[in-house]
Amino acid sequence: NAGVTQTPKFQVLKTGQSMTLQCAQDMNHEYMSWYRQDPGMGLRLIHYSVGAGITDQGEVPNGYNVSRSTTEDFPLRLLSAAPSQTSVYFCASSPLGGAYGYTFGSGTRLTVV
Amino acid sequence: QQPVQSPQAVILREGEDAVINCSSSKALYSVHWYRQKHGEAPVFLMILLKGGEQKGHDKISASFNEKKQQSSLYLTASQLSYSGTYFCGTEGPGGSQGNLIFGKGTKLSVKP
Repeated sequence: NAGVTQTPKFQVLKTGQSMTLQCAQDMNHEYMSWYRQDPGMGLRLIHYSVGAGITDQGEVPNGYNVSRSTTEDFPLRLLSAAPSQTSVYFCASSPLGGAYGYTFGSGTRLTVV
Repeated sequence: QQPVQSPQAVILREGEDAVINCSSSKALYSVHWYRQKHGEAPVFLMILLKGGEQKGHDKISASFNEKKQQSSLYLTASQLSYSGTYFCGTEGPGGSQGNLIFGKGTKLSVKP
């Protein structure tokens, strides 16, 4: 039981490049979310999903795209990377219903130069 | 809207107590509490659902005042291992919809 697995752990991108951050969970959780963490800003919600085929925007969705074709996977796509997207990205998952905590992945540290 | 946490930072000696507050401008369905150590992922501590319940977890407990849209995290007889940044996360008011919103965090430092 690996929990929530994020890849890669570190990434450096050039401005304008695109890439996909991977997130997979093996706990059969319906809820999955992407957060970014910047110093002094806490964890800000980018996109979230309540099940396969269903996604919605969070607090800071601009410049990011998501899809959820399976319960297990929830990739985050950066369409055209900008320096402002330099951050630590966390994926999290939780069972359906709202009475459970979220399990976080170990994070991806992204630098855009 | 992000919930507001206070204080932003607190320094304690081992054995002292601390209270961290979390308030929201909107009605809440639930409040989550997480702890994050430097360089690590946040770890779930507890969840409080509307109904005003209080929960305990070892020497860490929390309360939820639904009417005031506030929650407080109580750390008693603090240990060195309690150091880290504490985040509250909120959902509401229409029930759980998978969109947990976090505050900016409270940095807790416990000194020997």
